[in-house]
Amino acid sequence: ILNVEQSPQSLHVQEGDSTNFTCSFPSSNFYALHWYRWETAKSPEALFVMTLNGDEKKKGRISATLNTKEGYSYLYIKGSQPEDSATYLCAFSDSGYALNFGKGTSLLVTP
Amino acid sequence: SAVISQKPSRDICQRGTSLTIQCQVDSQVTMMFWYRQQPGQSLTLIATANQGSEATYESGFVIDKFPISRPNLTFSTLTVSNMSPEDSSIYLCSVGQGGNEQFFGPGTRLTVL
Repeated sequence: ILNVEQSPQSLHVQEGDSTNFTCSFPSSNFYALHWYRWETAKSPEALFVMTLNGDEKKKGRISATLNTKEGYSYLYIKGSQPEDSATYLCAFSDSGYALNFGKGTSLLVTP
Repeated sequence: SAVISQKPSRDICQRGTSLTIQCQVDSQVTMMFWYRQQPGQSLTLIATANQGSEATYESGFVIDKFPISRPNLTFSTLTVSNMSPEDSSIYLCSVGQGGNEQFFGPGTRLTVL
C-alpha cells in the first residue's frame, strides 16, 4: 500500500477566495500523479494527469504543480465559486495502472 | 474520454446476500478496474479486469468474496458475496484508455444491514 496524504481534510471558503490543497506521495518509483474532482452521486472527473517533475497544468481557474523529488503536488483554485464545491482527490501511480488515492479534500464554497 | 454507466446506482441489502454490480462503457477498452470507498476511507483498488483473462486482485481482496466477470471489451460485473455491514461502500468501476488517464463510473452506493 502506497501512502498518499491530502490536506486539509476539509475547507470552507467564501465565494471569490482563492484556495489550495496539498497532496503528498512517495517520492520513489514515481509514474504519474492524478487529480480528480468528485461531486456526490457523480463520476469522479479527471482534472490533471502529471508526470514530469516541475510540471504545471492549468484548466480554467484551477491549476496544479508537481514536485516528484520531494513527493508533493499542490492544487490551486483561483476565485472560488459555489460550483467548485466538491471533494478533490489525488492519486499516485507507480506503474501506470493502479491508482493509490488519498482521502480527499472536501471543499465547500459559500456565496 | 469514455462514458461509463453503472447499475444499480444504489442498493440496500441484507447481510448474507450477494449483489452484482454492472459496468458498461461506450467504447472498447482493454483495462477495467474496480474500486471501493468505505466510509471515511480512500478509494481502494479491488481488482483489475482484462478481457480474456482472470481478474487480478489486490492484497486483501479475494475472488470468492468479489468475483468479477469481463465477457467483452465494453462490460464487466463485480459481485459482492455473502455481504456484511463492513461491505457498505461506494463501488466504482474505471477504465484505462492508454496513456495515463483513467475514467470512472458514477458509482454504486451499497448499504448492508
